[in-house]
Amino acid sequence: NAGVTQTPKFRVLKTGQSMTLLCAQDMNHEYMYWYRQDPGMGLRLIHYSVGEGTTAKGEVPDGYNVSRLKKQNFLLGLESAAPSQTSVYFCASIASSMGGEPQHFGDGTRLSIL
Amino acid sequence: SQQGEEDPQALSIQEGENATMNCSYKTSINNLQWYRQNSGRGLVHLILIRSNEREKHSGRLRVTLDTSKKSSSLLITASRAADTASYFCATAPKGTSGSRLTFGEGTQLTVNP
Repeated sequence: NAGVTQTPKFRVLKTGQSMTLLCAQDMNHEYMYWYRQDPGMGLRLIHYSVGEGTTAKGEVPDGYNVSRLKKQNFLLGLESAAPSQTSVYFCASIASSMGGEPQHFGDGTRLSIL
Repeated sequence: SQQGEEDPQALSIQEGENATMNCSYKTSINNLQWYRQNSGRGLVHLILIRSNEREKHSGRLRVTLDTSKKSSSLLITASRAADTASYFCATAPKGTSGSRLTFGEGTQLTVNP
């Protein structure tokens, strides 16, 4: 049981390039989230999904797109990378919204944009 | 904007001492959660306290919640070097869809052997 797996773990991009970050969970969780973490800061929510085929904007959605075509996968895309998107990206999931549950996190993708 | 603010930003103690971290938030909440993050890793859930609870224990962890002051504290007793990590509070604001959490900026705890 791997939990939440993020690929790749590290990536360096040039400004203007595009890429997709993959988050996969094997816990049959309904809700999934993408966050970014910048030095000395907590996590900020980019986008989230409350089920297969659904997506919604979080606190800092600009410059990112997401898709949830399969329940177990949540993809985060950068269409035209900018240096301001240099960050550590974390994916998380929970089973449902019943009664408050802890989020399960992956180990992050460290992305540098030159 | 960040819902939670944590205090102190950094804390350095000796092994065996207790560590206390505080979190303040701005709006009404359904619950408040504490997470730990080891260097280079993802966040790991420690404990959840609901808005109708005042105190909760889990092993060496004690969490208190004061909804009238919109604040929480995390106490780690008899600290160990392995407790060295960043600790984040996260709130689930009332009326927020999708079970979203809002994270504080964290407290960096260093436990010296």
